[in-house]
Amino acid sequence: GAGVSQSPRYKVAKRGQDVALRCDPISGHVSLFWYQQALGQGPEFLTYFQNEAQLDKSGLPSDRFFAERPEGSVSTLKIQRTQQEDSAVYLCASRRFVRESGELFFGEGSRLTVL
Amino acid sequence: AQKVTQAQTEISVVEKEDVTLDCVYETRDTTYYLFWYKQPPSGELVFLIRRNSFDEQNEISGRYSWNFQKSTSSFNFTITASQVVDSAVYFCALSEAEETSGSRLTFGEGTQLTVNP
Repeated sequence: GAGVSQSPRYKVAKRGQDVALRCDPISGHVSLFWYQQALGQGPEFLTYFQNEAQLDKSGLPSDRFFAERPEGSVSTLKIQRTQQEDSAVYLCASRRFVRESGELFFGEGSRLTVL
Repeated sequence: AQKVTQAQTEISVVEKEDVTLDCVYETRDTTYYLFWYKQPPSGELVFLIRRNSFDEQNEISGRYSWNFQKSTSSFNFTITASQVVDSAVYFCALSEAEETSGSRLTFGEGTQLTVNP
C-alpha cells in the first residue's frame, strides 16, 4: 500500500497475555518510530529505528516492551505480560530520511485494550 | 528537555467562525522544527505543516494560517471560516535535531476542535 499499515487495528488482551503489534512502513523509508497514545493524550515516543538498528529505546516504559525491525522494513512491537496501564493506541510512523528533511507519515494505529 | 503545551483542551465553535489554536514550546536547541498534525476520528495523524526555527515567516495555506514567534516560543494555528470537516484533535509538536533520535517528535496534549453546523 501507499501508506503506513498497522495490524491489528484492535486488540483485546487479558492481563498477563503477550501481544504483538505489526507495522509495515512505506517502502524505502529509513526511519521508523513507535509512539504510545493514551486516551485523551498526545502521542509519546517509545522507540526509533534507523533501518534495522534500534538507535533509541529510551521511551519504552518497562522491560516488558520490546521492538524489532530485523530486515529494516517491517517492525513488531511486543508487549509481554500485559497490564491494564498498557491500554492505549500504538502508533507507527516512518520517514524516508534520517534527519528532519521529510514528512513523518503515521499509520492509523493499533488500539490495545487490556482487561 | 523539550516540552509542548497546548493550553486549550477543547474548543467549540459554530461553522464559519475563525478559531485559533495555541501552542507554546520549550527547547534548548537552537535548531528545531515545529509541526501541526490533525487527528480525525479514524486515528491517523495527518501532517499539516512543518517550520524550522530559522524561518519566522507566517504561512497561509487556504483557510489555514500559522503564526510562529520565537520571542514568545509560540506557534499558533488559525482556521478561517471553520467547517464541520475541521472537527478533529489538533496536535502541535516539536522535533529535536539529534541524529541518534531520528529527530523524534515531542507532542502537546492536543486540542479537540468541534465545529458545529
